[in-house]
Amino acid sequence: DAGVIQSPRHEVTEMGQEVTLRCKPISGHDYLFWYRQTMMRGLELLIYFNNNVPIDDSGMPEDRFSAKMPNASFSTLKIQPSEPRDSAVYFCASRRLDNEQFFGPGTRLTVL
Amino acid sequence: AQSVAQPEDQVNVAEGNPLTVKCTYSVSGNPYLFWYVQYPNRGLQFLLKYITGDNLVKGSYGFEAEFNKSQTSFHLKKPSALVSDSALYFCAVRDPYNTDKLIFGTGTRLQVFP
Repeated sequence: DAGVIQSPRHEVTEMGQEVTLRCKPISGHDYLFWYRQTMMRGLELLIYFNNNVPIDDSGMPEDRFSAKMPNASFSTLKIQPSEPRDSAVYFCASRRLDNEQFFGPGTRLTVL
Repeated sequence: AQSVAQPEDQVNVAEGNPLTVKCTYSVSGNPYLFWYVQYPNRGLQFLLKYITGDNLVKGSYGFEAEFNKSQTSFHLKKPSALVSDSALYFCAVRDPYNTDKLIFGTGTRLQVFP
């Protein structure tokens, strides 16, 4: 298995632009998690899905952030409009049932 | 509040020496505990977990962790450190009020010197 796949690996954009991050979970995993990692705040859970349904989005910082999971093999995290404080590494992770989470390589986002 | 603490920001150890990365937890009920490792520019990788049973848990890359209920600790250990073990290590506990979620510590950077 290729593991969790994220794209792009790096994204540089200007403030105010829309950013879309993509994730393909491991086949057969029924949970998908989006995290954000910064030096100041560490690793934060933004939102997670179970069987493509959003379960808890309490970690989403504000309405500029949205996430979707249209099918079992694809999820997006969108920021519109982006701001410099959104600069971070965004991780997607997936899990099957009650097992451990497997993380993707992350997307390093820089908002200028 | 449910939490995990990693009291050391950085641990330095010479190659070949034993290493310990500390983790303490504060959760209600019986804890489900995890260790993850993050190499530079990579995602977190699962090392090991404790759910129940033997207090000494063995994981990947020669790592092990000891669950100590009385001290509410779950320290990560390795008998002989390698330079390639240098990375960021995260302890995590399953949130007892939402078992889908993990509560992560702030991470400990392990530096192994040749």
